[in-house]
Amino acid sequence: DIQMTQSPSSLSASVGDRVTITCRASQGISNSLAWYQQKPGKAPKLLLYAASRLESGVPSRFSGSGSGTDYTLTISSLQPEDFATYYCQQYYSTPPMYTFGQGTKLEIK
Amino acid sequence: EVQLVESGGGLVQPGRSLRLSCAASGFTFDDYAMHWVRQAPGKGLEWVSGISWNSGSIGYADSVKGRFTISRDNAKNSLYLQMNSLRAEDTALYYCAKGSSPSPLEWFDYWGQGTLVTVSS
Repeated sequence: DIQMTQSPSSLSASVGDRVTITCRASQGISNSLAWYQQKPGKAPKLLLYAASRLESGVPSRFSGSGSGTDYTLTISSLQPEDFATYYCQQYYSTPPMYTFGQGTKLEIK
Repeated sequence: EVQLVESGGGLVQPGRSLRLSCAASGFTFDDYAMHWVRQAPGKGLEWVSGISWNSGSIGYADSVKGRFTISRDNAKNSLYLQMNSLRAEDTALYYCAKGSSPSPLEWFDYWGQGTLVTVSS
């Protein structure tokens, strides 16, 4: 099974900061990676797919990059509504066996 | 507007069964794969099971294989999860999620609000 290791597990930052969250797969996943945002008491929301493609309606301050086993989510200038938990997810495995990272909780400094 | 509404959760004793349902609307249900994802209290996300548009491809997490069965009724725009031999570690909020394509091997673009399953004596 493909394991996803996300770091850091928590992060404190200020409004306006640039933040980066990383996700490492235990084997190459050919950009088959999505990022989700989850706010307390809410369902996850899709931010990016195919490692770097922005979901419709998601602000352009969110971006993704990476290849092979290493991927990053970057928020260029944090806004108050961005404080949430972020998860990466691989969808490369065959037969389908999806794996999420353990999550990164982004908190206000 | 895409809507996914889960139901069927509740308190159940260990070893018993429960059936979750997800009513879908706002999209052509039989064009997309569908999934169940769970989140234990205070924990991260865990994919549980997924089913292709025509039920031809089905997958399960190792943690539920042999105990849970996913199914869908395209005529009723509904997704189901039959959960047998429930354990305390199955306690979680269960989300229904829409796949982004007919194949189950894609990302999840919409999620329901979840239904809570509590397994306890």
